Amino acid sequence: KQEVTQIPAALSVPEGENLVLNCSFTDSAIYNLQWFRQDPGKGLTSLLLIQSSQREQTSGRLNASLDKSSGRSTLYIAASQPGDSATYLCAYNQAGTALIFGKGTTLSVSS
Amino acid sequence: DTAVSQTPKYLVTQMGNDKSIKCEQNLGHDTMYWYKQDSKKFLKIMFSYNNKELIINETVPNRFSPKSPDKAHLNLHINSLELGDSAVYFCASSGRDRASYEQYFGPGTRLTVT
Repeated sequence: KQEVTQIPAALSVPEGENLVLNCSFTDSAIYNLQWFRQDPGKGLTSLLLIQSSQREQTSGRLNASLDKSSGRSTLYIAASQPGDSATYLCAYNQAGTALIFGKGTTLSVSS
Repeated sequence: DTAVSQTPKYLVTQMGNDKSIKCEQNLGHDTMYWYKQDSKKFLKIMFSYNNKELIINETVPNRFSPKSPDKAHLNLHINSLELGDSAVYFCASSGRDRASYEQYFGPGTRLTVT
């Protein structure tokens, strides 16, 4: 069964903290893994895409890693800011197929 | 320049009505998708079209019918709307090569059935 689990479901941190969001998946035939951000009432913004042959991708204060053998990905956010408050979704797909999503981690960063 | 656009953004209608949601992408992608985000915010695939051919049809009621007039457009028509159809519907698209399998999402259409 294709399933994505994200832990924790919610996270509250003070501004400036470094934090890690976790994602685990059951499918070994993963092709791409994407991390998205969703603001309340808004659409999805793609943050990072990691191909199965890669181990990590970085964009600004964000770093995502992928460990296919253990079925895990992490999203690291450095020096968190209130503007980072949103729901973060992890999803994977096989070649050219639809994404399988986790239920997300809702992050709240207080100033 | 909006990459993936959807209309309308909000749709409020009564049970039993028929409605359509339109999606257009200007990225030159070959594959388009419809996802549903339920009240618990869980996103799940409904349909996928590759070059105007249906390639995924998850267990969605046949009241939902996707229509793709060309590879830049994928519309969703819903017949006999029910209360349980209330959700946010997202359109997405992706390309053909590995890097392009990255999916780009539209802003969503919030459907409320009363």
